[in-house]
Amino acid sequence: KNQVEQSPQSLIILEGKNCTLQCNYTVSPFSNLRWYKQDTGRGPVSLTIMTFSENTKSNRRYTATLDADTKQSSLHITASQLSDSASYICVVSPCRLIWGLGTSLAVNP
Amino acid sequence: DAGVTQSPTHLIKTRGQHVTLRCSPISGHKSVSWYQQVLGQGPQFIFQYYEKEERGRGNFPDRFSARQFPNYSSELNVNALLLGDSALYLCASSLGAGQGISYEQYFGPGTRLTVT
Repeated sequence: KNQVEQSPQSLIILEGKNCTLQCNYTVSPFSNLRWYKQDTGRGPVSLTIMTFSENTKSNRRYTATLDADTKQSSLHITASQLSDSASYICVVSPCRLIWGLGTSLAVNP
Repeated sequence: DAGVTQSPTHLIKTRGQHVTLRCSPISGHKSVSWYQQVLGQGPQFIFQYYEKEERGRGNFPDRFSARQFPNYSSELNVNALLLGDSALYLCASSLGAGQGISYEQYFGPGTRLTVT
């Protein structure tokens, strides 16, 4: 069964600290993996999109990694800001997007 | 250049009523997808349309229907509303109908539907 599991479910960090969010998937065949940021009550915004052959991809303070062998991805946020408080969702694409439930991140001053 | 727009932003309906939600994709995009997101959950795929034809359907009852117009805008219709239909309804536009890299989806702000 195609599944995307994210951990932790929620996370609280202090402003300026780094954090890493995890995504494990059991999706086949694999096409690409995406990380979205979703502010409460708003539509998701794409952070990164990675194909099978990409191991690391950065977008400003966000760095995503992908290990297609172990079917794991991570999203690392550097020097967190208050505006990083949001839900971060991992999405894996075989023929259709399979959405994880997201990690709710709260950045406190 | 405008992004994906949705209307209305908020809507309150009572059980048994019907509702129509609207979406305008990014200029040049020919595909529109609809998602339902219940509070605390990830988006659930409802429909995808490309060039006015249905290209995909999620596991939703026949009370849910959609269409795409010649200008690529789209409507999502829900009949006989239930309390469980209360959710954020998201529209996403993309250049094409596939799930490959070239078809990145851009989401609108959503329509918050409350059924009482």
